[in-house]
Amino acid sequence: GAGVSQSPRYKVAKRGQDVALRCDPISGHVSLFWYQQALGQGPEFLTYFQNEAQLDKSGLPSDRFFAERPEGSVSTLKIQRTQQEDSAVYLCASSMRQEQSKNTQYFGPGTRLTVL
Amino acid sequence: KQEVTQIPAALSVPEGENLVLNCSFTDSAIYNLQWFRQDPGKGLTSLLLIQSSQREQTSGRLNASLDKSSGRSTLYIAASQPGDSATYLCAHRSSSSNTGKLIFGQGTTLQVKP
Repeated sequence: GAGVSQSPRYKVAKRGQDVALRCDPISGHVSLFWYQQALGQGPEFLTYFQNEAQLDKSGLPSDRFFAERPEGSVSTLKIQRTQQEDSAVYLCASSMRQEQSKNTQYFGPGTRLTVL
Repeated sequence: KQEVTQIPAALSVPEGENLVLNCSFTDSAIYNLQWFRQDPGKGLTSLLLIQSSQREQTSGRLNASLDKSSGRSTLYIAASQPGDSATYLCAHRSSSSNTGKLIFGQGTTLQVKP
């Protein structure tokens, strides 16, 4: 019955450091999404997984961003050589199956990344 | 680029007032429109989801409508309470997307004063 969890909740990184953000989706959820939310803005899509397959990564802002979901459950979003413009809240969401018409995405609490 | 716009960006009302939040979208190929609530430091909580074949959805004091022809949705909150204070986001899911990704507006931050 647990919801989507994310860790860490807060991360402070020095510019140039690599960071890894973890998402534990709801058990059994096939679809997993990552979004980036800048301060005062709505979330913006980064990437989408169906099971272990990354089917859409069109929202990743640069090749410094990399996401994986090797076993079709937990996902990790990695940002290499962080820059100040990467500072944002990173939200993870999961849903049962994207093609179901009444399906909704369940969001985690997010990881707030601050790059100094 | 698909766009979703929310007006107003911020709203402050006294307790008890009825209020309307507006959302407009440019992509007419809509699959569904969803309203979320976001509290500070928290994730998003789904409030209402309207399928493209529907015109409105209701849950308690909340009513959301969808007008595909004009590209607009409204969220109506009746008899507002201080606990309604939060940021409200609308999100568009396109029927031309095969992933189900959501396009969000920038949100309306609501403050209900006791």
